[in-house]
Amino acid sequence: EIVMTQSPATLSVSPGERATLSCRASQSISSNLAWYQQKPGRAPRLLIYGASTRATGIPARFSGSGSGTEFTLTISSLQSEDFAVYYCQQYNDWPLTFGGGTKVEIK
Amino acid sequence: QVQLVESGGGVVQPGGSLRLSCAASGFTFSSYGMHWVRQAPGKGLEWVAFIRYDGYNKFYADSVKGRFTISRDNSKNTLYLQMNSLRAEDTAVYYCAKGFGEAIDYWGQGTLVTVSS
Repeated sequence: EIVMTQSPATLSVSPGERATLSCRASQSISSNLAWYQQKPGRAPRLLIYGASTRATGIPARFSGSGSGTEFTLTISSLQSEDFAVYYCQQYNDWPLTFGGGTKVEIK
Repeated sequence: QVQLVESGGGVVQPGGSLRLSCAASGFTFSSYGMHWVRQAPGKGLEWVAFIRYDGYNKFYADSVKGRFTISRDNSKNTLYLQMNSLRAEDTAVYYCAKGFGEAIDYWGQGTLVTVSS
C-alpha cells in the first residue's frame, strides 16, 4: 500500500502568517492527491483535489502544489477559523490511504 | 444540498456484528461511488471501503477485508456497512462519504461504534 507521510505533526503559527504543510507519498501518485481540513468534533471537509484544485467554496488563501511524491498545502494568511487538523489522502491506487495529519495551532 | 446521515452505531461485544446505514440525499445517489472512512478516538482518518455507483466493484482496507461488507440500495438511496467479527481496534467514528472520482467530496457527521465487553 502507498504510505503517506505528513510533516510537521504540529505547526504553531500566528494569525495572519503563512503556513506550509508537507505530504510525501511512498511512490508516485501523479496528481491524485486531496487535502482535507478537520475541526474538533466535526467531519472532514474537502479543500483541494487533483493536488492543486480548490474545492467549491474554499477561499483562495488555500493552495496546493506538487506531483509525483511531494506535495504542499499552503495557507497564505491564517485566519482564526483555519486552526484545525489537515490530512492529505492519495486516491491513485487501492487501498486509499491518508497521512497522519498536521495540527495547525495558534502560536 | 448533499446530506449523508449515518445510523446503526452503538456498543457491541468483541466478536459481534453490527450494520451501519447511510441515508443520502441532495444528489443522484445511483451515479456516485461511496466510501466508508473511520476515525478511532483521538487518531487520524482510516479509509475502510468503497463501492462503485452500480455496486459491481468493491474495495476494502486490509484491516477489514473478509470481516466487513459494503453494499448499497440505489432504490432507497442508502449505503450499508455490515461489520462482523468485530474487534476492539474497530472502535471508531464511522463516516459515510460521497465519491468524487476516487476522491471524497462530502462527508456525513459519523456514527460511533464501540467494541467492548
